[in-house]
Amino acid sequence: LAKTTQPISMDSYEGQEVNITCSHNNIATNDYITWYQQFPSQGPRFIIQGYKTKVTNEVASLFIPADRKSSTLSLPRVSLSDTAVYYCLVGEWRKLIFGQGTELSVKP
Amino acid sequence: DADVTQTPRNRITKTGKRIMLECSQTKGHDRMYWYRQDPGLGLRLIYYSFDVKDINKGEISDGYSVSRQAQAKFSLSLESAIPNQTALYFCATSDRQSSSYEQYFGPGTRLTVT
Repeated sequence: LAKTTQPISMDSYEGQEVNITCSHNNIATNDYITWYQQFPSQGPRFIIQGYKTKVTNEVASLFIPADRKSSTLSLPRVSLSDTAVYYCLVGEWRKLIFGQGTELSVKP
Repeated sequence: DADVTQTPRNRITKTGKRIMLECSQTKGHDRMYWYRQDPGLGLRLIYYSFDVKDINKGEISDGYSVSRQAQAKFSLSLESAIPNQTALYFCATSDRQSSSYEQYFGPGTRLTVT
C-alpha cells in the first residue's frame, strides 16, 4: 500500500492561495490520487481526483508531476470556511487509506 | 433528506454489551464501507461490501462484524464492546459505475464505551 506523507498543519489568510503537498514515493501504476476535506464531527467530502498532470474542478486544482511521487492540492483564494482537515489518499478501490491529514487554518 | 443516514448518532454503552450501528443509503450505490476515526487521526477502514454477498475485512476488523441486509443497508456490530472502541464511526457508499473513487459519507455515530 502506498504510504502518504503530508504536513500536519498549515496556516493561511483569507484570499490567499493554499498549496498542500503530499508525498507518495511508492505509488503503484494503477493507483489514483484522491483528496478529501473534513470538517469537525462531519464525514469527509470528496474534493478532487487525478492520475497524472493537472486536474481542475470548481473547488480546487490537483498537480501531479510526471513521476507521480508527489501531488499538490491547490485551493484558490481560501476563505474562513475552508478551515478543515485535508486528506491525501493513494490507491485503488479496495485500498484507499486515510492518513493523518493536514489541518488547514484560515485566518481573517 | 440525507442520502446516507446513520443511527444512532450518539450512543453510550458499557463494556461487554453488544451494540449495532446502522447505515442506510438512498443513493442506489452498491458499495458500502464502515470506518472509525479516533481523535486527531484519520479514518481507518473496518469492513467494506461491494455487493450484498461480497463482504470484506478492512484494516481493523477485529472485534467487529457486519451485515449487509440489502443493497441499501449495512450494519456494524460490536459483539462485546470495549473502551478502546470508543470512537467516531462513519458509513460511506460509492458507485461501482463511477470512474472516480468518490465515497459519500454519513454524518457519523459517536460511540462511547464506559
